[in-house]
Parts: sequence; C-alpha cells; structure tokens
Amino acid sequence: DAMVIQNPRYQVTQFGKPVTLSCSQTLNHNVMYWYQQKSSQAPKLLFHYYDKDFNNEADTPDNFQSRRPNTSFCFLDIRSPGLGDAAMYLCATSRGGTGYEQYFGPGTRLTVT
Amino acid sequence: GESVGLHLPTLSVQEGDNSIINCAYSNSASDYFIWYKQESGKGPQFIIDIRSNMDKRQGQRVTVLLNKTVKHLSLQIAATQPGDSAVYFCAEALFGNEKLTFGTGTRLTIIP
Repeated sequence: DAMVIQNPRYQVTQFGKPVTLSCSQTLNHNVMYWYQQKSSQAPKLLFHYYDKDFNNEADTPDNFQSRRPNTSFCFLDIRSPGLGDAAMYLCATSRGGTGYEQYFGPGTRLTVT
Repeated sequence: GESVGLHLPTLSVQEGDNSIINCAYSNSASDYFIWYKQESGKGPQFIIDIRSNMDKRQGQRVTVLLNKTVKHLSLQIAATQPGDSAVYFCAEALFGNEKLTFGTGTRLTIIP
C-alpha cells in the first residue's frame, strides 16, 4: 500500500547531540512537510519541500534543518537538541496546490535526555 | 494573525449518540477545509474535506458542514463508537497554497 513511513518511531538523544529523523513516501507526491507536535497541541509546521524548493516557516529555529535528496525521502536534522525539542515529529505529503489532503506518517517520538 | 480555532477543547458523548465538533475560522479567503482524526501515539488521519463552494458533504457516518457567513465548520459523527475516541483537528487552506493551518483540536471521548 502507498504510504508515508517514518523511522525510527521512537528516538532518544542527549542534550546537544545531533539527531536525524527520516521520512519516506511511496505516494510519489510533490510536497513533503515536517511538523512538530507537542502534547495536546496542534501540529506546527516547521518547513516543507515543494519538489526541490525548500520553504521554511518564519518561526522555525535555525537548529532545525531539512534535506530532500530525492522525491521519496526527506530528513529532519536537529543540530543541537534542547529539552524543549522533545516532541512528536510528523512527516506528511501531498500532491500540491490546494484541495489536496495531506497524508501523515505515524510520527517519531523524540526524547531529549 | 489568521487562525483556526475550536469552541470546545473536550467533548464526551455516550456511545451510540451523535457528536458534533465545531470549528471557527477567521480567514474568509480560505478555500479548502479538512478534518483529521488523531489517535494517541499516531499521526493524523484524514476524515473528510470540503471546498468553499459547498456547504455540506457526507461520508461514512460523518458529515461536514460549512457556514461561510459566520466562518464556521462542524464535523458530525453519527452513532458514535468507542473507536471514535480521539482528538479531532480542523484545518484550512488558501487557494493555491499547499500549506494547512490547523485548529487547536477537540478531544472526543466516547462513554460506553
């Protein structure tokens, strides 16, 4: 089945130690998104790629970076995780434009110790 | 700034009853609206969507109503089941924009 896959599902990292989360999709969608979601809150968009074009949200800290080496894969790099970065990180995809739903992966739960 | 918000953060409904989850949006230019269901520890799951040229759309046990006059969106779930317990988010999008703006979410609890 076509889907959005996130690995790992659970990630524990130490304060200040770089960590990379990965997302892959078999939907061949143009757009890939990264969201941060904290407990009992709505997903917060960090950035997205429309094909190879990177779109950063104005309030996304520089500590968060992303790479999209090809259509299928997208990575979230946290250069120096702080305790406040502990959250669920959700990857989503869409065909692009408006009126196209976003398909979400299961998320990666990040713990910072 | 523009935002999408929900009137009620929590809602408890008896199993078998109908539930209504409400959402207010502030951007009259929004063209597309979508409801997601998120179970604990999982990613949001698409439920139903509606374009601004419609005022009602039905799916299996779910109906979305859009009132553009008062900028209000609702999700009706018929004959609720225990599996309907989750957090429900509404989201909106502007025409030509691939980004969604999410509302704050409502936690729906089904009472057996």
